[in-house]
Amino acid sequence: SQTIHQWPATLVQPVGSPLSLECTVEGTSNPNLYWYRQAAGRGLQLLFYSVGIGQISSEVPQNLSASRPQDRQFILSSKKLLLSDSGFYLCAWQRQVLDYGYTFGSGTRLTVV
Amino acid sequence: AQKVTQAQTEISVVEKEDVTLDCVYETRDTTYYLFWYKQPPSGELVFLIRRNSFDEQNEISGRYSWNFQKSTSSFNFTITASQVVDSAVYFCALPRLISSGSARQLTFGSGTQLTVLP
Repeated sequence: SQTIHQWPATLVQPVGSPLSLECTVEGTSNPNLYWYRQAAGRGLQLLFYSVGIGQISSEVPQNLSASRPQDRQFILSSKKLLLSDSGFYLCAWQRQVLDYGYTFGSGTRLTVV
Repeated sequence: AQKVTQAQTEISVVEKEDVTLDCVYETRDTTYYLFWYKQPPSGELVFLIRRNSFDEQNEISGRYSWNFQKSTSSFNFTITASQVVDSAVYFCALPRLISSGSARQLTFGSGTQLTVLP
């Protein structure tokens, strides 16, 4: 069976510090991978997606970047965090074939202070 | 452009009552999927159901049932005999193709906070 792991679960970081959130998927190959952010008030916003190793697309220009160094690994980064980067970050994977099922990780709650 | 509307911001019911969560969507796609997710206080988005636009047959799974009506662009979700553990935010979502491959962006509704009181 397929599983998705996301860590850390919570993070408190000072303004100007770097960020690295990691997401890995097990039990599947060549998945589409996504980073979403959920700000207070529930809205979910797509930040980045990747259809293969080294292939990153950004939906919203921002202070963040993403990388996919391995097939089942997706990393969200920032060199210098802003207060506005606070939020709940969710990684998700999706099959490329058969159906378009979308499975989310457990999320990382980031507070920038 | 795609849009998902969940007009009910918050719903509060007493345990064992039935509750229906509404979802209305807009899309120009002729074929599409629709999803429902549950987000408990822990934050994880839990997948509940996926339906495609070819299949308007309503579905029942335990205490959950879904009413998909393409003619009115609605995909409503009913919980029968609600329980305290059903308390969560529920999201309706519509995928949109965003690449030449299979990558799809989920357009979410704003969510409905369901509180089930004991």
